[in-house]
Amino acid sequence: EAGVTQFPSHSVIEKGQTVTLRCDPISGHDNLYWYRRVMGKEIKFLLHFVKESKQDESGMPNNRFLAERTGGTYSTLKVQPAELEDSGVYFCASSQGASFSYEQYFGPGTRLTVT
Amino acid sequence: KQEVTQIPAALSVPEGENLVLNCSFTDSAIYNLQWFRQDPGKGLTSLLLIQSSQREQTSGRLNASLDKSSGRSTLYIAASQPGDSATYLCAVEPQGAQKLVFGQGTRLTINP
Repeated sequence: EAGVTQFPSHSVIEKGQTVTLRCDPISGHDNLYWYRRVMGKEIKFLLHFVKESKQDESGMPNNRFLAERTGGTYSTLKVQPAELEDSGVYFCASSQGASFSYEQYFGPGTRLTVT
Repeated sequence: KQEVTQIPAALSVPEGENLVLNCSFTDSAIYNLQWFRQDPGKGLTSLLLIQSSQREQTSGRLNASLDKSSGRSTLYIAASQPGDSATYLCAVEPQGAQKLVFGQGTRLTINP
């Protein structure tokens, strides 16, 4: 069974440009999470989908970030326009059910560098 | 607000030693606690998941304990090997929130 996959693995963009990150969860996992780790800090929660619905987006830093999960399958996270402080590693995770009962499985992450 | 702290930030030990990594959290109202491993440039691999009603979990040479009332967890690694070198992350899931709150991690180096 394939794990959580993320694309691209690494993206380098200039300040002000737009970047879209993609996450494909494990097949059949209704719950999808985005996290990120900026330099020197701990991994922090961004948002949580249940199928195509946003369950919790309390961790989204500002309105330059837009997450979607059309059809309840893969998810995209768009940053527009990107700022220097957006640099970091963006992780996606999925779980079969509510995460207090089911383990979250993490993808390899996308390293975003904004110059 | 839940906060997770891991001490030490980095640890270097010779191969074969037994070692303990520490994790503390500020709010005991949690569903579970997980220990992860992260290799450079890789994703997170779950090592052990301890539900709030449990005291410990074991997997091979790894043993994780949980003392919810005191807000502490330890990860014990027996007979360390160079392949154990990685960053170890502790994360808790607060009650009422389906998300993980992470510590900053402990970077472990096992010297041959």
